[in-house]
Amino acid sequence: QLVLTQSPSASASLGASVKLTCTLSSGHSSYAIAWHQQQPEKGPRYLMKLKSDGSHSKGDGIPDRFSGSSSGDERFLTISSLQSEDEADYYCQTWGPGIWVFGGGTKLTVL
Amino acid sequence: QVQLQESGPGLVKPSETLSLTCTVSGGSISPYYWSWIRQPPGKGLEWIGCIYYSGKTSYNPSLKSRVTISIDTSKNQFSLKLRSVTAADTAVFYCGRTSDYDGSGGPIDNWGQGTLVTVSS
Repeated sequence: QLVLTQSPSASASLGASVKLTCTLSSGHSSYAIAWHQQQPEKGPRYLMKLKSDGSHSKGDGIPDRFSGSSSGDERFLTISSLQSEDEADYYCQTWGPGIWVFGGGTKLTVL
Repeated sequence: QVQLQESGPGLVKPSETLSLTCTVSGGSISPYYWSWIRQPPGKGLEWIGCIYYSGKTSYNPSLKSRVTISIDTSKNQFSLKLRSVTAADTAVFYCGRTSDYDGSGGPIDNWGQGTLVTVSS
């Protein structure tokens, strides 16, 4: 079964960096994922597509502060030079034959 | 710049059918995949299903028995019907586009702003 697991919460200081993790279920380590950001009271925004080899392509207007990387069944979103507007929920999403799946989301607090 | 806009009733009675439409502007509805996603208040995102411009559909197994997604390419619209709703179906409903399809799916790379649908008598 295709499942994505995310930690419910994370925090980091203004100006620092943070690395969020999304873990693919067993047997799905070759799958690509996408990262989405949802700021408070707003709809989701597509950040990037991230492949198993760590290559990624970002959505329109996504700052260079956002980057992705991969290791085995883990997919990472790194946000550098944290700004107050980065405080948001971050969701990973993947897909398989006939199904799209979301992780449970990570709530990022910028201290 | 493609924009997606959800529309439909904000209030639906229990046991009735929830109907929403997503209008695509600024671009063509083909040849992409179009999804419906929902988010109950205070909870995470749940994929409901998607449709290809040709009409081919895929649904979340947990909702498949109650969901129908259709498309009208002449109007650049696609629609969602969710039958026999209960209070547990109360959510913000989003429509989305997948343009980077790799053979089995792809990222939702364009989102509508969402519309809240409340199920209540």
